Amino acid sequence: GNSVTQMEGPVTLSEEAFLTINCTYTATGYPSLFWYVQYPGEGLQLLLKATKADDKGSNKGFEATYRKETTSFHLEKGSVQVSDSAVYFCALFGSARQLTFGSGTQLTVLP
Amino acid sequence: GAGVSQSPRYKVAKRGQDVALRCDPISGHVSLFWYQQALGQGPEFLTYFQNEAQLDKSGLPSDRFFAERPEGSVSTLKIQRTQQEDSAVYLCASSLGLGRGPPPDTQYFGPGTRLTVL
Repeated sequence: GNSVTQMEGPVTLSEEAFLTINCTYTATGYPSLFWYVQYPGEGLQLLLKATKADDKGSNKGFEATYRKETTSFHLEKGSVQVSDSAVYFCALFGSARQLTFGSGTQLTVLP
Repeated sequence: GAGVSQSPRYKVAKRGQDVALRCDPISGHVSLFWYQQALGQGPEFLTYFQNEAQLDKSGLPSDRFFAERPEGSVSTLKIQRTQQEDSAVYLCASSLGLGRGPPPDTQYFGPGTRLTVL
């Protein structure tokens, strides 16, 4: 079946540091890949997505590239802000037509 | 409203009680999903509707869980004879619907209902 493995947290960074959160997946066929973000007290929000190999999703300074050869979709941001503190979830949407999520990575950015 | 709404936001139940959780999807969204999110974990799929048809209920953990969407809009997730292991956040999401717009449809999530079973 489908599965998503993402970097365990928590991750603590200083403001303006570089962020990488690793995500790898196992799926049959050609899934679409997503990063969702959950801010404290709020619901899940779509951050970015990529629907085919080599696509790059980007939003709010975050980027992730769909790498089929390494089955990865790592999230990166060049300079994090305090307001980026949240839980980040990697997910895939596959042939089963449902989202399969990783376990989430808590990010805390200190001023 | 503009987004997916869920009620109640918090529910405390005694073990053995029945509970009903409501989801109001974005108006016009054909597809509706329920997910269960245990503490410190990612959401896990429970069930999926397209209009009023329940197309996939493979994620429902037991026959105590039942979901319906009788008019293809509002959905209710019912849990009978609640157990402590049912304690979790229950998330609802909706999307435009398969075949409408670029696949896959983006799922928009509600704030969730936090269920605590004592």
